[in-house]
Amino acid sequence: GDSVTQMEGPVTLSEEAFLTINCTYTATGYPSLFWYVQYPGEGLQLLLKATKADDKGSNKGFEATYRKETTSFHLEKGSVQVSDSAVYFCALSDVGGGNKLTFGTGTQLKVEL
Amino acid sequence: DVKVTQSSRYLVKRTGEKVFLECVQDMDHENMFWYRQDPGLGLRLIYFSYDVKMKEKGDIPEGYSVSREKKERFSLILESASTNQTSMYLCASSFQGFNEQFFGPGTRLTVL
Repeated sequence: GDSVTQMEGPVTLSEEAFLTINCTYTATGYPSLFWYVQYPGEGLQLLLKATKADDKGSNKGFEATYRKETTSFHLEKGSVQVSDSAVYFCALSDVGGGNKLTFGTGTQLKVEL
Repeated sequence: DVKVTQSSRYLVKRTGEKVFLECVQDMDHENMFWYRQDPGLGLRLIYFSYDVKMKEKGDIPEGYSVSREKKERFSLILESASTNQTSMYLCASSFQGFNEQFFGPGTRLTVL
């Protein structure tokens, strides 16, 4: 079945540091890939997405590229801020999956001054 | 502004009680979903619905049921709450044929 594997957290960075959160997936078809973010006390919000190989999703300074050859969708940001502190979830939606999402376990990011 | 609302942010119930968690969306979405979120396990799908009065089991339906009598409302029911159902419950909705899901703020349920 489909699965998503994320790096374990928490990840603790200083403000303005470079961020990478790794995400790899297993799927039978050609899935769409997503990053969702959950700020403290809130539900999940879509951060970015990519629907086919080599697509790059971007939003709020975050980027992720759909790499079919390595089955990866790593999240990156060049300079993190304290306000980026949150839990980040990688997810996939497979073709024929009926609009269902399969989530990774989430990676907590803490950004300190 | 799109909105998914959940009836309670925090709920405390006793073992054996019947618990109702309500979710309402104002976006005219066909699809609605219930997840539970636990540390180290991420989000796991409990039930989902593609249309009024339709429901499908997700990955962990045991101990839960759902009801969708109106398009905008999707209820999660714990028939007899147990301590292992203590968790954060998240509702989401989406348009048919679209993968992006919109989430509510969650209900943190504690079963004593």
